Formats: sequence, structure tokens, C-alpha cells
Amino acid sequence: QVHLQQSGPGLVKPSQTLSVTCAIYGDSVSSESVAWNWIRQSPSRGLEWLGRTYYRSKWFYDYAVSVRSRIIINPDTSRNQFSLQLNSVTPDDTAVYYCTRALYDSSWTHFDSWGQGTRVTVSS
Amino acid sequence: QSVLTQPPSVSGTPGQRVTISCSGRSPNIGSSAVNWFRQLPGTGPKLLIFKNNQRPSGVPDRFSGSKSGTSASLAISGLRSEDEADYYCAAWDDSLNGALFGGGTRLTVL
Repeated sequence: QVHLQQSGPGLVKPSQTLSVTCAIYGDSVSSESVAWNWIRQSPSRGLEWLGRTYYRSKWFYDYAVSVRSRIIINPDTSRNQFSLQLNSVTPDDTAVYYCTRALYDSSWTHFDSWGQGTRVTVSS
Repeated sequence: QSVLTQPPSVSGTPGQRVTISCSGRSPNIGSSAVNWFRQLPGTGPKLLIFKNNQRPSGVPDRFSGSKSGTSASLAISGLRSEDEADYYCAAWDDSLNGALFGGGTRLTVL
């Protein structure tokens, strides 16, 4: 079973950049049968998928329309981790952020492993 | 507003069977595997059902899932007080190329 360990600051000022990192234990960020995702949860938005990265001979990235202009998901093969960067944050970005692993056969099947969650508050 | 529609709440008494519905559309539930998650207060979601009706190891067979067309259901039989939690469905949406979640259903054991 894979273990995902999150780290990152819990408080970010408006207009600044939110950054959370997810360290992977028991799998490789370069595995060609999975994808690495970020999901957030807030009372106003519920559970919201933000984006994913995955390796299939090269790196691919997909982002939710709602954050596409502000998000970067970056894999780090040297540290076997991936990170979320969300720019120009507003109080509406206040949420618990989760990293997850998604499994595939011919297509997406499920999110089987979740990080512990990072509660991020956007406030001055 | 979530694209996958769940009832906000359901309730039942110990030992009873309850079902939670999840309604979507052709590009998501109609084309994708459905997941179900349980979330206890202060914790992250835990996978209960994947590929519509498969249980991960350790999930009791009191939990079962089904899918028909653009709708899915989670059934919980032999209801217990510890089943009180929030339950979420999820599916991939081919038109959005992203995952979607339901708004969640709060299960109360009376």
C-alpha cells in the first residue's frame, strides 16, 4: 500500500502562492500505470478535483478549468514527490488540500490512496 | 453546485439497509467507473467502492455498489452506529477530462 505524506504552510496571504508537497512512499512518481492528483475540500465547494500529472514515456498534465490559469503540478523524480502550486490565491481558495494516487486499467478507475490533508487558510 | 447529485441526508435505524444515490450524465457516470468514499469528521475520504461494485480489502461486505446507466447507488446493510459519516460518489468525466464528486450525503443512524 502506498503512503502519501503532505507538507506545506497552513496560512497564505491573498494574492500570494499556495504550495503543498506530497512525498510518495511505496510507489514511484514515474510509475506508468498511475496518476498523481490534487483534490481540495471546502464547505462552499465540496470535494473539487484540481489536476493531475502522470508519466507515459513523457510527462502529462491535466488541470480543472476552474483553476487552469493559476495552477502548476510539478513532479520531482529526484525526491519521489509531486507538488501543487496555486498562484494569486483569494480567500475562496481556503480549503483542505489532498494529494491522491489514481489507478488505471484502460481508463481511470479510482483514487486508492490519499494524503493526510493540508488545511490552508488564505488570509492577511 | 456539484455535477454528481446526491441526497443531502439519509437516515436509518441499527440493522436496517439504506441506499445512497448518485446521479450524473453520459460523459461521467455513463462512461466511467464509479467510486464511493466515506469520510468521518476531521479525516480524509476513505475508499469504500471502486469500479462500481468492487470493495478494497478490509471493507466489509455490508457495503455494496451498483451502477445503471447514468446513476449509481451505494447500499449499506446491517446498519451500525459507526456508519454515521459523510458519503461521496466520484466518477471521471470524459468531456471535462477531470474527476467529479458528488456533494456528499450525511448518514445518520437513529
